[in-house]
Amino acid sequence: DVKVTQSSRYLVKRTGEKVFLECVQDMDHENMFWYRQDPGLGLRLIYFSYDVKMKEKGDIPEGYSVSREKKERFSLILESASTNQTSMYLCASSRPSGNTIYFGEGSWLTVV
Amino acid sequence: TQLLEQSPQFLSIQEGENLTVYCNSSSVFSSLQWYRQEPGEGPVLLVTVVTGGEVKKLKRLTFQFGDARKDSSLHITAAQPGDTGLYLCAGRPPDSNYKLTFGKGTLLTVNP
Repeated sequence: DVKVTQSSRYLVKRTGEKVFLECVQDMDHENMFWYRQDPGLGLRLIYFSYDVKMKEKGDIPEGYSVSREKKERFSLILESASTNQTSMYLCASSRPSGNTIYFGEGSWLTVV
Repeated sequence: TQLLEQSPQFLSIQEGENLTVYCNSSSVFSSLQWYRQEPGEGPVLLVTVVTGGEVKKLKRLTFQFGDARKDSSLHITAAQPGDTGLYLCAGRPPDSNYKLTFGKGTLLTVNP
């Protein structure tokens, strides 16, 4: 059974804090993604990685960075959290050119 | 930027009714996917359609990809409360191996 695991389901952080969201997949997928989902805006791609140490900016990378040191793990970093980053964050993975993207359960981040 | 418009945005029906939701674009996609997302969870893939005019059935769900590969529909027969959720369509642009364009979703509520 395929599995994308996001380590934190619910987080509350203060403005200015550094936030790490961790994601692990067990399918040996090359591609990994970070999206955020907001009411009325749908899913928006933050960053994409197609290999270890490789990354590409998505549609809304500002205020975020990512790290992929191992194939199975993709981390999203908020260097200095702001209230407008309160959102649901979804990690996903897929094979290269794969039509199927597998999502994690999501991480609800509230920045106060 | 390729956009996917989903309609209706909200749909509330009684158990046993039939319904159709739509996903439309002015752009061509090489494939189109439908996901269902339950509250507090990540999206789960229902189906991928890749050929213009393709029809796929998944029990009470019927998916169709338009002949020109610009639009798709999801029809549910005899809806059940367990069908409640957010239905998302996502299209893969022809020039991308990884990027998906997501619609904003149709929120379906099936009342007992």
